Amino acid sequence: GAVVSQHPSRVICKSGTSVKIECRSLDFQATTMFWYRQFPKQSLMLMATSNEGSKATYEQGVEKDKFLINHASLTLSTLTVTSAHPEDSSFYICSASRGGITDTQYFGPGTRLTVL
Amino acid sequence: AQTVTQSQPEMSVQEAETVTLSCTYDTSENNYYLFWYKQPPSRQMILVIRQEAYKQQNATENRFSVNFQKAAKSFSLKISDSQLGDTAMYFCAFMTGTGSGGSNYKLTFGKGTLLTVNP
Repeated sequence: GAVVSQHPSRVICKSGTSVKIECRSLDFQATTMFWYRQFPKQSLMLMATSNEGSKATYEQGVEKDKFLINHASLTLSTLTVTSAHPEDSSFYICSASRGGITDTQYFGPGTRLTVL
Repeated sequence: AQTVTQSQPEMSVQEAETVTLSCTYDTSENNYYLFWYKQPPSRQMILVIRQEAYKQQNATENRFSVNFQKAAKSFSLKISDSQLGDTAMYFCAFMTGTGSGGSNYKLTFGKGTLLTVNP
């Protein structure tokens, strides 16, 4: 299989605090991991792409200093929302691929972030 | 830039019947990949089916099949013998990329079609 986990599944935090979300590929090595944001009843919006050992590539309009992404190993990527505000409340989904021209992205179950 | 259009925001079908979800895309690329993902109420994105643009044969996975028309840039999903568990949001997605070994392959998603299977 190709299983991707995320932790936590949901988190509530106070405005101004930072929150870290973990994304793990459980049974394969993920050369590339992706982070998406999904608003209610909307599609997924790609935030950034990260390759293991390299800096993440952020999509236009995504603040790299606010959404810190680390992909330190082939099975783990983290997204840290720094100084979170209520407008950062959303559903965050990661995906992972083995990399290479034929691979598919496998998605984690998502993390619901609520900032009070 | 690539765009993916799903023109049916919502659809419904009776259990055991067949339903087709439409998807069109726009790209100047020649090599690319198309996907259908399913997102049930749990919100876990599940890969339904994948099609390589260079393959003329339509992909099939059990009750799910696609009608890939490259010239028309159309990629519809047919669900046969619909089951209650098929109720979900279905996203059509397009992927292209260059290079190999760790290069970035970005998925562009359509807005989704909410499919409800009625008993």
